[in-house]
Amino acid sequence: EAQVTQNPRYLITVTGKKLTVTCSQNMNHEYMSWYRQDPGLGLRQIYYSMNVEVTDKGDVPEGYKVSRKEKRNFPLILESPSPNQTSLYFCASSLQGALGYGYTFGSGTRLTVV
Amino acid sequence: GQQVMQIPQYQHVQEGEDFTTYCNSSTTLSNIQWYKQRPGGHPVFLIQLVKSGEVKKQKRLTFQFGEAKKNSSLHITATQTTDVGTYFCAPNAGNMLTFGGGTRLMVKP
Repeated sequence: EAQVTQNPRYLITVTGKKLTVTCSQNMNHEYMSWYRQDPGLGLRQIYYSMNVEVTDKGDVPEGYKVSRKEKRNFPLILESPSPNQTSLYFCASSLQGALGYGYTFGSGTRLTVV
Repeated sequence: GQQVMQIPQYQHVQEGEDFTTYCNSSTTLSNIQWYKQRPGGHPVFLIQLVKSGEVKKQKRLTFQFGEAKKNSSLHITATQTTDVGTYFCAPNAGNMLTFGGGTRLMVKP
């Protein structure tokens, strides 16, 4: 089944403890992206990647890192999480973003930082 | 990314009534995508509009792209309880997909 898989689905952590949210897609998509969704603020893009080893900042990149060593994986790294990073996170992928293919989203990761 | 305003933020309708959400931009959009997110779910791609004045239909859903490519709308005819969710428009500027604030649709049976 074609899908974007995020792990974990739920995570509670403490301030300052490094964490990684994994994202993997099995559709051979070039484009991958991370979003966070907050009440009243909608979906905001954190980082995106156009292909292996090519990443760039979205609208809200502060406090996050990403890497794209393989085409299928695009992990989101929080080096020192803070409570304002408590949010619902979505990973998404697309065949070719510039040509306007729809994005396929993962099921989301609900992160709570205490 | 390109900024868009979506209205209304919320809409309650009686089952069987029609529903429309609007997406407005101050700048010309190259294309626009629409997504639906069910409560507790993730956004699901519905459609993309590219051409000026384009109209596309999916069963009871009608999508339009304005002549000036600065606005778009989604119209649902005779809503059903399965239509419940938040509908987002999202201009696709190539590398960045920017989401509008969404319209949350609630349907009373």
